Order: sequence, then C-alpha cells, then structure tokens
Amino acid sequence: AQTVTQSQPEMSVQEAETVTLSCTYDTSESDYYLFWYKQPPSRQMILVIRQEAYKQQNATENRFSVNFQKAAKSFSLKISDSQLGDAAMYFCAYRSTLQGAQKLVFGQGTRLTINP
Amino acid sequence: DVKVTQSSRYLVKRTGEKVFLECVQDMDHENMFWYRQDPGLGLRLIYFSYDVKMKEKGDIPEGYSVSREKKERFSLILESASTNQTSMYLCASSLLWTGRAHYGYTFGSGTRLTVV
Repeated sequence: AQTVTQSQPEMSVQEAETVTLSCTYDTSESDYYLFWYKQPPSRQMILVIRQEAYKQQNATENRFSVNFQKAAKSFSLKISDSQLGDAAMYFCAYRSTLQGAQKLVFGQGTRLTINP
Repeated sequence: DVKVTQSSRYLVKRTGEKVFLECVQDMDHENMFWYRQDPGLGLRLIYFSYDVKMKEKGDIPEGYSVSREKKERFSLILESASTNQTSMYLCASSLLWTGRAHYGYTFGSGTRLTVV
C-alpha cells in the first residue's frame, strides 16, 4: 500500500518570503499522480497543484511550484512571495493510475503560518 | 456553482447514539468518499462508493457503515457512536477515474462531530 509522509507538522514564514513544504511517499508503481491541497480555516479543501509522475518537468501554478524527485520519492511544494491568504493546512496526496484505483492517499498535513 | 454539501457543520452526539452524516453532490459524479481528519494523522479514508449501492472499505472502516441509494447522496453511519469517533468528517466526490485520466476531488466543508 502506498504511504505519504509530511514530516513538518508546522511551518512559519514571513510575509513576502519563500517557504518549502516537504513530502515523501512510498510506492512500487512507476506511474501515478501527486497533489498538494490547501485547507484554509473555512475547511474547504482546494487543489493547489498536480504533478504527473511520467512528466519530468516540475509543475508550476503562479507562486506555487513543486520539486519532484522521482528517484528519491520526494515532492516538495515551494510558495514564493508568501501572502497572508496562504495561511492554511497543506496536504500532500498520492493517486495510483492502476485500473480500479479511485482514491487519494493523504499525508499528515503541515500547518503553515504567515507572519506579517 | 457545483458543490458538495454536508448536512451539518457541527454536531454533538451522545455515546451509543446512531449517527447519520449526510453528503449530497450536484455534479453527477460517480465516486463519493468519506474521510476522517485528525490532527497529526491527516485524512484517512473510511469508505468510498463508485456507483449507486456499491461501496468499498477504506483504511479505517471499523465502527462505520455507509449507504448510497441515490447517485447524488452518500451517507456515513455510526451505528453506536463512541468518544474515539470524535473527529472532522470530510465528504468528497469525483468523476470515475480511468487510467491516466484524472478528475479532481470536490470536497464538502466538513462536519465536526463531537461524541460526549
């Protein structure tokens, strides 16, 4: 079974600075998806960014980018120019592409605080 | 605006009560999921359903059951609530995933259940 590990329960960063959230995963599969989700205080989970394992290029969405290291099974999220609205819980998640695989496997989450 | 609606934002129940958590989606999604969210443990899958009357156990199904009589509605049932079921419960839905095609999850806003 796949597992996802986020080793940083909490992180903080100064507004306008850059922060990196870590995620590692364990799988024997070669093709899969990885995701970062954001959960603000409103509790509404929002997809931040998605990476397909067969693509070597790291995904980028505006101020959010990932460092995908397939061999190391590492998938970190970099937030540039941090804003107060980035304060939230961030979850890393994995999805298999095997036939019949329908679920996401989530990590433990990292609470990000933005200091003004 | 498409959405997933969970019937209660906060719920307080007594030990031993039968508890129903309701989730409704208006997107004609095949998949529906129930996750439990606890600090330090992230999101853990309880049950999911890929079609009406179909269900599959997730990682922590003990003490829970589910019902999906209509495509848009997925209910989580705590047959006899216990204090260790105090938690945040998140419902999500998605289109059926086939191989590499991926469709995102749409989440509800969660039900915070307290069992006293």
